[in-house]
Amino acid sequence: EAAVTQSPRSKVAVTGGKVTLSCHQTNNHDYMYWYRQDTGHGLRLIHYSYVADSTEKGDIPDGYKASRPSQENFSLILELASLSQTAVYFCASSDAGTGAYEQYFGPGTRLTVL
Amino acid sequence: GDKVKQSPSALSLQEGTNSALRCNFSIAATTVQWFLQNPRGSLMNLFYLVPGTKENGRLKSAFDSKESYSTLHIRDAQLEDSGTYFCAAESNMGYKLTFGTGTSLLVDP
Repeated sequence: EAAVTQSPRSKVAVTGGKVTLSCHQTNNHDYMYWYRQDTGHGLRLIHYSYVADSTEKGDIPDGYKASRPSQENFSLILELASLSQTAVYFCASSDAGTGAYEQYFGPGTRLTVL
Repeated sequence: GDKVKQSPSALSLQEGTNSALRCNFSIAATTVQWFLQNPRGSLMNLFYLVPGTKENGRLKSAFDSKESYSTLHIRDAQLEDSGTYFCAAESNMGYKLTFGTGTSLLVDP
């Protein structure tokens, strides 16, 4: 089973500050994803990547950047954090090699912007 | 409107009873995943489905791509089954999952 870790597990940031969330996976998966979950809702895709040094926009990319420096690592960057970005952020990975895109999720990062 | 609709939105069960959760899709879903988000917030993989059915212990899931729905049946519900169940559909875009809004399940003794 895929091992996906996230850091930090929780963070409090100030409005206008820069926030970087990190994700690391150890299963050689090609695809990595960042989602956000708002209270009482499902997950929505922010950015994803299918290869190192390349990222793609998901459904709600505004206000976020992503970076994939290696196959194992995928970061989500909030250059100017806003109150509306308070949420729980999940990273996931999947192996596209077999054509099956079953996604495995990290434990989440709870971000509070004040 | 919602591309993945889950029902019911909330459910309370007595321990030992059975229930069924459902997802209806308005996108051309090719595969479906079911997750359980436990009270600590972690997402646990339950099923990954192409059209057809799978069973794992007290859980059974089915996905009908032609009728655009998926179901998750819980048999002999236990306290540890409590949490929020999410279905997520993958469309012809491959990699991308579209999530439903979840079914919050509480199992009472």
